[in-house]
Amino acid sequence: RKEVEQDPGPFNVPEGATVAFNCTYSNSASQSFFWYRQDCRKEPKLLMSVYSSGNEDGRFTAQLNRASQYISLLIRDSKLSDSATYLCVVNPPGTASKLTFGTGTRLQVTL
Amino acid sequence: DTEVTQTPKHLVMGMTNKKSLKCEQHMGHRAMYWYKQKAKKPPELMFVYSYEKLSINESVPSRFSPECPNSSLLNLHLHALQPEDSALYLCASSRGISGELFFGEGSRLTVL
Repeated sequence: RKEVEQDPGPFNVPEGATVAFNCTYSNSASQSFFWYRQDCRKEPKLLMSVYSSGNEDGRFTAQLNRASQYISLLIRDSKLSDSATYLCVVNPPGTASKLTFGTGTRLQVTL
Repeated sequence: DTEVTQTPKHLVMGMTNKKSLKCEQHMGHRAMYWYKQKAKKPPELMFVYSYEKLSINESVPSRFSPECPNSSLLNLHLHALQPEDSALYLCASSRGISGELFFGEGSRLTVL
């Protein structure tokens, strides 16, 4: 089993739609979780950290389910500018600064 | 605009050349990283510097040689590279080792 797994997509959704991505991780003792966004031929940028209690930032909501070892990202009211690859990132225990990146989920928002 | 600056943005080199990639940040971050990213793949960690000391080397071939002259600068020296080393090389920094990385725009390297 891969350390971090994501559905590669692409997810093609119309503007205004709600879309959700899941990411599963294999090490149950992992402590830190993040979603990064990467536009085509650009660098990854931190979108949100994911906390145990879940967190929301505008149209974006991140959730952590430790029992099932997955994190999710919900995007409401999708915009064309949300089109990007969303990378799930996990910091396994005992590996400070060795982040494990998922392969990313590509989102294409269309008119 | 990114606060991590990488130069050059593009580099083409032959297999016998020696070149260097440079990275600079002025956010006071104490951890700096080199990642390699191939098309449609996630970034792969190469090196981590923490407080200017090399703390992680992910079994990277010796033809890649990192250097951290001071807390704001990170270099990656390249020598005798192979065509399969062609990739986007990303520098990142973080305040600690929290996982909240700030990436530069990358240096796109082509080895002929």
